[in-house]
Amino acid sequence: DGGITQSPKYLFRKEGQNVTLSCEQNLNHDAMYWYRQDPGQGLRLIYYSQIVNDFQKGDIAEGYSVSREKKESFPLTVTSAQKNPTAFYLCASSRGTGGAVTEAFFGQGTRLTVV
Amino acid sequence: AQSVTQLDSQVPVFEEAPVELRCNYSSSVSVYLFWYVQYPNQGLQLLLKYLSGSTLVKGINGFEAEFNKSQTSFHLRKPSVHISDTAEYFCAVSDQHAGGTSYGKLTFGQGTILTVHP
Repeated sequence: DGGITQSPKYLFRKEGQNVTLSCEQNLNHDAMYWYRQDPGQGLRLIYYSQIVNDFQKGDIAEGYSVSREKKESFPLTVTSAQKNPTAFYLCASSRGTGGAVTEAFFGQGTRLTVV
Repeated sequence: AQSVTQLDSQVPVFEEAPVELRCNYSSSVSVYLFWYVQYPNQGLQLLLKYLSGSTLVKGINGFEAEFNKSQTSFHLRKPSVHISDTAEYFCAVSDQHAGGTSYGKLTFGQGTILTVHP
């Protein structure tokens, strides 16, 4: 079945360490996104990518980095510069230019806790 | 810039009662509108979307929403809720003019927690 796979589901990090969250999709979507979810704040866009080897900052990119070397993969690195990294992280994808309008599809999320 | 306001952070309701979850948005351009549902510790699932055409949109699980352009609202309704509808619901908008990224480059409301009591 097609979908978006995020791993791991739960992740613990010590302060000062970088950590990478994985996101893989087999929907053949061009565009991919990373959102951060905090209680009572909805979801906020961290980074997005419209095409391989290209990505743009979202609303809260500070302390995060991404890469898009393959169409299927869009890993997110939470760096030590992110002051409050404990949150639920959601990856999404959507069809790129051309074709019918469609919605974004979401993965099951990764819960990151800084200990 | 776009913004989305979900007017109720929590909505308690009894089983088989009707429910309305309210959503207002602001934007300087035309938008697409979405409602997503999230169960605890899971991702988001699309309930319904408004792209164009009829302002009354029907989605999955018996939900529907009405787009009101003059009031910039997109309220979600269900005539009779079930225990299994207990979840958090998010209203979201995307810019129609952002090309292929518009479908996933979403601005979300803060979420409404719907709790259905027996």
